[in-house]
Amino acid sequence: GAVVSQHPSWVICKSGTSVKIECRSLDFQATTMFWYRQFPKQSLMLMATSNEGSKATYEQGVEKDKFLINHASLTLSTLTVTSAHPEDSSFYICSARSGRVYTFGSGTRLTVV
Amino acid sequence: ELKVEQNPLFLSMQEGKNYTIYCNYSTTSDRLYWYRQDPGKSLESLFVLLSNGAVKQEGRLMASLDTKARLSTLHITAAVHDLSATYFCAVDKETSGSRLTFGEGTQLTVNP
Repeated sequence: GAVVSQHPSWVICKSGTSVKIECRSLDFQATTMFWYRQFPKQSLMLMATSNEGSKATYEQGVEKDKFLINHASLTLSTLTVTSAHPEDSSFYICSARSGRVYTFGSGTRLTVV
Repeated sequence: ELKVEQNPLFLSMQEGKNYTIYCNYSTTSDRLYWYRQDPGKSLESLFVLLSNGAVKQEGRLMASLDTKARLSTLHITAAVHDLSATYFCAVDKETSGSRLTFGEGTQLTVNP
């Protein structure tokens, strides 16, 4: 079946630094990729939708300059958290869509200290 | 705006018992998804329901879809501890740019 690889699975960084998270579709081409953020015991919150070769569409309230999304190819999307602060600590999950099949990455636990 | 509501949000049950989780959504949709999430993990796909009256079963879990009532159910039969997890339903609607809208999740705890 379809597999989405997400790296790193966890990362600890200092306040003010930037962190990049990668999301790769391994055996299919994803027309669209999604980035979610999840706080403990809550549902997934969609941050942005990205299509290959075009700018990401951000949800209301998500700072595009802080959460940079690049979708350079049909198999790779990256999320960069710039100038991270402790409030950015969260679980980030990517998802790749092919047709109407959604495949989720394994998630990245970000801790900003 | 498409809204998805699950109930209950928290469910504690004994092993061997049966229970049902409900998922209501606000506008017409033709596809409903159920996912399982273990603590600290990502989502695992359980079922995709494609049409009215669809029923799918895997082990002790059975999901159904009633598009007229805008309702899906996830029925648990003879629960076992390994089923303890958070269960999410999600809906996508082609006209919304085909993206998933998630319910709040149901945290299921199965006690020995």
